[in-house]
Amino acid sequence: NAGVTQTPKFQVLKTGQSMTLQCAQDMNHEYMSWYRQDPGMGLRLIHYSVGAGITDQGEVPNGYNVSRSTTEDFPLRLLSAAPSQTSVYFCASSYSGTGANVLTFGAGSRLTVL
Amino acid sequence: GQQLNQSPQSMFIQEGEDVSMNCTSSSIFNTWLWYKQEPGEGPVLLIALYKAGELTSNGRLTAQFGITRKDSFLNISASIPSDVGIYFCAGPTSGTYKYIFGTGTRLKVLA
Repeated sequence: NAGVTQTPKFQVLKTGQSMTLQCAQDMNHEYMSWYRQDPGMGLRLIHYSVGAGITDQGEVPNGYNVSRSTTEDFPLRLLSAAPSQTSVYFCASSYSGTGANVLTFGAGSRLTVL
Repeated sequence: GQQLNQSPQSMFIQEGEDVSMNCTSSSIFNTWLWYKQEPGEGPVLLIALYKAGELTSNGRLTAQFGITRKDSFLNISASIPSDVGIYFCAGPTSGTYKYIFGTGTRLKVLA
């Protein structure tokens, strides 16, 4: 099993450009989520999904879009990148049943917006 | 939004020393998770706690689910250089699937 796979690992964008960060998991996890990590601020939840076709907002959703058309994939879209979106982005997944609740993380995608 | 307060923010210790860190919340958690993150990597789960008062070990690591359900503690015994990293507490806010994370404790071990 590959676990949670994120691509790309590094990306540089200019302000106003759009891009999609990809996340795929092969563990048949119902729950998937996106976090951003900034220095001194821990991980903050952007969006999450509890199954195909269902998404919801986290703490910092503005400027980001998500969709969940399959169980395996949960892409994160930046429609018009801003320098404030420079960060490291992590995708995480888990089973959503009682007693599960353990997130498995990808290796991260480092995004720089100039 | 809801926050997890983690302390200390950073620690510099000598190899062989024991380490303690804690995490507190203003609201109740039903699950506490402890993660470690090394440079350039995603967080990796160390210990998961599911019941108030629960004490769980993973090698030299021991974590406890506070009896009030508003706090949790992580201890590392006899630290070694590879313990270096950032340690995060986390949990799903009650009744939701929104996992929130503490701001982390940065640990450095001096050989």
